[in-house]
Amino acid sequence: RKEVEQDPGPFNVPEGATVAFNCTYSNSASQSFFWYRQDCRKEPKLLMSVYSSGNEDGRFTAQLNRASQYISLLIRDSKLSDSATYLCVVTTNQAGTALIFGKGTTLSVSS
Amino acid sequence: GAVVSQHPSWVICKSGTSVKIECRSLDFQATTMFWYRQFPKQSLMLMATSNEGSKATYEQGVEKDKFLINHASLTLSTLTVTSAHPEDSSFYICSARDRVAYNEQFFGPGTRLTVL
Repeated sequence: RKEVEQDPGPFNVPEGATVAFNCTYSNSASQSFFWYRQDCRKEPKLLMSVYSSGNEDGRFTAQLNRASQYISLLIRDSKLSDSATYLCVVTTNQAGTALIFGKGTTLSVSS
Repeated sequence: GAVVSQHPSWVICKSGTSVKIECRSLDFQATTMFWYRQFPKQSLMLMATSNEGSKATYEQGVEKDKFLINHASLTLSTLTVTSAHPEDSSFYICSARDRVAYNEQFFGPGTRLTVL
């Protein structure tokens, strides 16, 4: 089983749609959780951290369920510029471990 | 925000040659840098963790004699792909962790390596 698994995608949605991505992780010792965004042939960029209490940043809402080892990202009112690959990322140890990436889910927003 | 640069951004080389990729943190000190590799339509896979002044820690399956890592200063780590072969063609990305803002990593723009 892969350490971080995501919806296979791709997601093709019209502008203004609401879209949700899911992610599960296998290591219950995972401590930090993130969503990154990666544009084609570019490096990943941090979109937001994910906290147990859930957190929101504008049109983006992230949720974490530690019991189910499940992370989600909700994007409301999709824009064309949201088209990218969204990567679910976890770390097991803040002090020393690198990021473990999911394969990513591709979102394509069309007008 | 913190900036990480990589050089070169792309390289094409013949099979059997060695290629060096540099990763620099431009406006912060990075005690730890990470090297990742990403094949098309695949996730980023960690290759090795590089700590300033000590030997790199390699992930399982990554040949340390083939992928030489040097982290000689707090702002520079290098990855050398020795005797490159076509199967080494990939997108190589480094990231650096700020010594002060410990929890966040900053990624370089990546180096696209094509081995003919």
